[in-house]
Amino acid sequence: EADIYQTPRYLVIGTGKKITLECSQTMGHDKMYWYQQDPGMELHLIHYSYGVNSTEKGDLSSESTVSRIRTEHFPLTLESARPSHTSQYLCASSAGVQLFSYNEQFFGPGTRLTVL
Amino acid sequence: AQSVAQPEDQVNVAEGNPLTVKCTYSVSGNPYLFWYVQYPNRGLQFLLKYITGDNLVKGSYGFEAEFNKSQTSFHLKKPSALVSDSALYFCAVRATTGNQFYFGTGTSLTVIP
Repeated sequence: EADIYQTPRYLVIGTGKKITLECSQTMGHDKMYWYQQDPGMELHLIHYSYGVNSTEKGDLSSESTVSRIRTEHFPLTLESARPSHTSQYLCASSAGVQLFSYNEQFFGPGTRLTVL
Repeated sequence: AQSVAQPEDQVNVAEGNPLTVKCTYSVSGNPYLFWYVQYPNRGLQFLLKYITGDNLVKGSYGFEAEFNKSQTSFHLKKPSALVSDSALYFCAVRATTGNQFYFGTGTSLTVIP
C-alpha cells in the first residue's frame, strides 16, 4: 500500500544529543518536504527536495539538515538538540514535475520531539 | 504579499448543523487551492482542491468548497456536521507560477453533540 512513514512518532531527548528523524514514502514521489508545526498549529516549511541529491532550505530558518540519497528516504538530522527544537515535525511528499504542483501533498503522521 | 488567511482560530457548530470554515487568499495569477484536515496526533490529510473549472469542488467525507475569484475566497463547507469532523483544518494556496506555497494558520473545528 502506498504510504508515507515517519519514525519515531514521539521522542524525548536531552540537550546536546544528535538525532535523526526518519521519513520514507512508497509512492515514488520525487518531491519531498519537511515542515515544523508550532504548538499553536501553524506549519513552517524548513526543507524540501526536488529529487535524489537535491535539497534546499525552506522559508523558516532551521538548524537541522537533510539528505536525499534515495528517492524514498528523506531523513532530517539535528546535530545538537536544544529545547528550542521542541516541536512537531511533519514530512510530506508530492507527485509531479514542479515543486508544490497542483498535486496534493501526502503527509506522514509526524514526529513529536521534546528536548529537555 | 502573497498569502492565505483563515480568519477564525476556532469554529464551534452543533451536530447536524451546516458548517463553514473560511479561507481567503492573495497570490499573483491564478491559484491552486487546497484544504487539509488534521486529526489529533496525526499528519495532514488532503480533503479537496481547486485547480480549474467548476467553482464548486466536492471532496472527501462530504466536504465541499466554493472558489470565488472576485472575493478571493475558498470557504470549506459541509451541509450537516458530525462530531467526528472535529479537527484542525488548513487552507493552502499555490500560485500557478513560481514555487511558493502557503498554508493558513489553521482553524480548530469543534462539533458539539
